[in-house]
Amino acid sequence: QVQLVESGGGVVQPGTSLRLSCTASGFAFSSFGMHWVRQAPGKGLEWVALIWYDGSDKYYGDSVKGRFAISRDNSKNTVYLQMDNLKAEDTAMYYCTRDLFSDVLYFDLWGRGTLVTVSS
Amino acid sequence: DVVMTQSPLSLLVTLGQPASISCRSSQSLVHRDGNTYLLWFHQRPGQSPRRLIYKVSNRDPGVPDRFSGSGSGTDFTLNISGVEAEDVGVYYCMQGTHWHPWTFGQGTKVEIK
Repeated sequence: QVQLVESGGGVVQPGTSLRLSCTASGFAFSSFGMHWVRQAPGKGLEWVALIWYDGSDKYYGDSVKGRFAISRDNSKNTVYLQMDNLKAEDTAMYYCTRDLFSDVLYFDLWGRGTLVTVSS
Repeated sequence: DVVMTQSPLSLLVTLGQPASISCRSSQSLVHRDGNTYLLWFHQRPGQSPRRLIYKVSNRDPGVPDRFSGSGSGTDFTLNISGVEAEDVGVYYCMQGTHWHPWTFGQGTKVEIK
């Protein structure tokens, strides 16, 4: 079954860290770039980060640059999002989605998301 | 960054009637490869986004043909020829032409009268 499953969310205090995981199945994970996209409660979608299919390139949104780090382990079909120095404004549902950098297979498959709540 | 602006932000539609959502970008979305990477997503309450349309007008598998996308350059439209109950939720446009950041519209909430 072609799917993405996120995990690792939870309730944490400001200034602390959390690592999210997204595990893929049913497709050639190592051929795809992977994005994280987040959605604050009641708000729209915000792109967070991208990692190249082989991990050689990484890009971040301005709001998380310097605090978040994306990585992947192709042997485990998993992409990670290390989130440090968390702020209240990072509270959101975090989704992963894939990107083959083709003209069809990009942002076409999404996980169900994992909820991160940053609160004291 | 490319700013995506949707209108209206809210739409109240009678079942069976058409609906139209506009999406405008602050820069042309024509890529140097000649393609225009404009996507449309639908998100039902409590669910993750689902891609409906890619490259302006191509429907994803399983998307009903009452959904159609059109436009070029900086102006794009998602049309629903006759709204059904399952179409409620929020619709987002997204540009994939100008990378990092990839940017989304604010979303248009569709409800049934």
